[in-house]
Amino acid sequence: KAGVTQTPRYLIKTRGQQVTLSCSPISGHRSVSWYQQTPGQGLQFLFEYFSETQRNKGNFPGRFSGRQFSNSRSEMNVSTLELGDSALYLCASSLGDSPYSGYTFGSGTRLTVV
Amino acid sequence: AQSVTQLGSHVSVSEGALVLLRCNYSSSVPPYLFWYVQYPNQGLQLLLKYTTGATLVKGINGFEAEFKKSETSFHLTKPSAHMSDAAEYFCAVSLPNAGNMLTFGGGTRLMVKP
Repeated sequence: KAGVTQTPRYLIKTRGQQVTLSCSPISGHRSVSWYQQTPGQGLQFLFEYFSETQRNKGNFPGRFSGRQFSNSRSEMNVSTLELGDSALYLCASSLGDSPYSGYTFGSGTRLTVV
Repeated sequence: AQSVTQLGSHVSVSEGALVLLRCNYSSSVPPYLFWYVQYPNQGLQLLLKYTTGATLVKGINGFEAEFKKSETSFHLTKPSAHMSDAAEYFCAVSLPNAGNMLTFGGGTRLMVKP
């Protein structure tokens, strides 16, 4: 079966712009979580969506937002981009309510802010 | 709140030697524990996971980890390193009934010398 698909794979944006990243989960998975990975801060949880509702949120500013559609696809948006937002953004989809029940990561979107 | 500490950001072993990557966690309740591997420009791949039951967990590619509650540790081992094991390894925890949210350690880059 198809894995978790993230688009685009690479993105270059200018400071002050906004960006939207997309994640298509594994078929049948209803939960999508987003993570930011940077050399300095490592892997940090952004938020989780389950059945179109945000269920958990990490400690990120309000410039970071997301949503989930009825087909479980998710988007995350970052407004007013800063240089520090340059990172690999990973999404993971899950079958159930816990990472133990099956938690698969996509290959990520690498965002560079210049 | 939970936290994860991985001792040693870089570990170097010779091909055929024992691999030992250390992970200690802090959690108010018994957590679920995971090890992930990341190859360059890729997402995270699950190596193994622990929730309850047998404390020695076997994963893919010959890796295993042992949960030691008294030491709050979940170290990853492999008896004989292969060149293809060179990658970055992440230990992670999640809490039961807390949804799909992982807290990651800082990662350990494993280098394998011929």
